[in-house]
Formats: sequence, C-alpha cells, structure tokens
Amino acid sequence: GAGVSQSPSNKVTEKGKDVELRCDPISGHTALYWYRQSLGQGLEFLIYFQGNSAPDKSGLPSDRFSAERTGGSVSTLTIQRTQQEDSAVYLCASSLRQVGNQPQHFGDGTRLSIL
Amino acid sequence: ILNVEQSPQSLHVQEGDSTNFTCSFPSSNFYALHWYRWETAKSPEALFVMTLNGDEKKKGRISATLNTKEGYSYLYIKGSQPEDSATYLCAFGGNQGGKLIFGQGTELSVKP
Repeated sequence: GAGVSQSPSNKVTEKGKDVELRCDPISGHTALYWYRQSLGQGLEFLIYFQGNSAPDKSGLPSDRFSAERTGGSVSTLTIQRTQQEDSAVYLCASSLRQVGNQPQHFGDGTRLSIL
Repeated sequence: ILNVEQSPQSLHVQEGDSTNFTCSFPSSNFYALHWYRWETAKSPEALFVMTLNGDEKKKGRISATLNTKEGYSYLYIKGSQPEDSATYLCAFGGNQGGKLIFGQGTELSVKP
C-alpha cells in the first residue's frame, strides 16, 4: 500500500518568503508527526496530531511556524517569513494510534533551503 | 529536558564484522524505546519498538536489548554487510502521547 507522502521533495526559497510543506499519511493512521533535522543535528520533534487536534505543539521553534490537519488526513506545515536557520529536512510520520509503542512510518522528507 | 544519547557517533567496520551501539535514555516516564535505520536518500525505517525491561528483539542479523531500570538499549549487528551501512537512530517514547525524542544517531559504514 501507499506510504507517507511528502511534497515538495525539495524547496529553495528566499529569506522572508512563506513556505508550505505537505504531508499525506498512511490511510487509517490517526496520528501524524512533524520532525526536522537541521545540519549536524538529530531529529527534532515539532508537533503531532491526533485526528485534527494537536495535543502537543511544544517543538514548534517560533510563532512563524504553524501546522494544521484536515479531515484526519493531510497536514500542512507553514513557515512564515523564513529565516536561514529554518533550512533543514522536514520529515512527516504517521502511526496507527498516538501512543508511544506504535512504530512511526516516515515520508522521504522535504529538504528546505533558505537563501 | 529529556536527553537521548547514542554512541559511538560513527563506526567504520569491515564486511563480516559484528558490531554494537548504545542508546541511553531517561529511566523515568518510560513507555517505549524505538530503533530506526535511516539510509541515505531514503526515509527512516522502523526496526524495533521495545517496551518491557529485559526485552530482546531480533530481525535477521540485527537484534536489540532493553534495560529500562538503568536506561539503556543495545543494538547488535552480526556479520555486517555493506547494505547495513546507514544511520541507526534510537528514540524515547514517553507516557504522554506518541511524541518521540531521538538521539543523534550512529552512522555505520561497512566496507566490502
């Protein structure tokens, strides 16, 4: 079956522009997670959704970052007024339920470069 | 602040060598410990999810053990092959939702 799909796979944009990253989880997975990996860093949690609600947004680095999920399916991560430090690989994952013993299935990521 | 540490940071071995890496994590509020393999240009792939102290899991030549009381897990690869070359990530799952805290990873390179 189809895995987690992310788009675009690469995005290059100028500092100050807004960007929108999209994630399409595995059908039937109620939990959806966003992580990012900056250069030389480990995977960093950003936000997760259970259905359309986001119980934990604690990893969003600033108010320029927002995310939403609609229909319990597709999620978009929006970064406003991008800065160079936002350059990273943004990974989305989904799992059947939002409990810690569920394996997470990852997409291929969006590589974001801010010039 | 939850801290998940992995060692070594990188490892270079010859084909056929057996190897192991360590993941240390907080022993409080533990729910699960995950291992993932992340190959270049691919997405991270789940290897194991471990929940019970003393748990041992195996998948082919790869196995993992878990000690929740002292907060560590070992990943073992027996008879490494070049296709095992990847970054191996461990992640701590706490008892508040499915959020994972990842270590920095161990980058394994297996030379033919």
